[in-house]
Amino acid sequence: GAGVSQTPSNKVTEKGKYVELRCDPISGHTALYWYRQSLGQGPEFLIYFQGTGAADDSGLPNDRFFAVRPEGSVSTLKIQRTERGDSAVYLCASSLTAGPGRGTYEQYFGPGTRLTVT
Amino acid sequence: EDKVVQSPLSLVVHEGDTVTLNCSYEVTNFRSLLWYKQEKKAPTFLFMLTSSGIEKKSGRLSSILDKKELFSILNITATQTGDSAIYLCAVRGNAGGTSYGKLTFGQGTILTVHP
Repeated sequence: GAGVSQTPSNKVTEKGKYVELRCDPISGHTALYWYRQSLGQGPEFLIYFQGTGAADDSGLPNDRFFAVRPEGSVSTLKIQRTERGDSAVYLCASSLTAGPGRGTYEQYFGPGTRLTVT
Repeated sequence: EDKVVQSPLSLVVHEGDTVTLNCSYEVTNFRSLLWYKQEKKAPTFLFMLTSSGIEKKSGRLSSILDKKELFSILNITATQTGDSAIYLCAVRGNAGGTSYGKLTFGQGTILTVHP
């Protein structure tokens, strides 16, 4: 089946503008994750959803960042009043679920959206 | 706070060489350790390890976990130019509450394989 898809693949915006990044998870996956990756670094956790609810949003850097998943499938990451420091690749991943068990919850990543704030 | 440290940060080898990539971690209430390969944008899943001493193997790649010493290694034998990539290690823990899904990644090891 299809993997995780993300749109747009690239987004260039001016400082202060609002952007939305979209993620379409693997069909049937109930857990969805957002990460941010800066050059030369590993992905950094932002937020994850189990179904429609945000199970952990501890990685969102400030209140300019917000994410939704209203129907438990597609998710949108929203960034208000963008700053140059927001420039990064935003990665989305999904997994079958995200329960407390030790196994079976590998996360599959999409190709990312490269955000550049000028 | 969970932490993952990978070494070396970069490695250059020739085709046919064997490489060992290291990952040490600190995590609250360990659940699993994962290895990913990142060539362009999307990290692709390689292995998930949950138990000490049990080797996971896929072709020329293998990995093992030591939960006592808090580290994992990823071995690649008979390297090929197609193995050139960034290799990421990540851990999943549970610091309390109901959050179980968060992965904490290391910085990655950049592997370059020359013909």
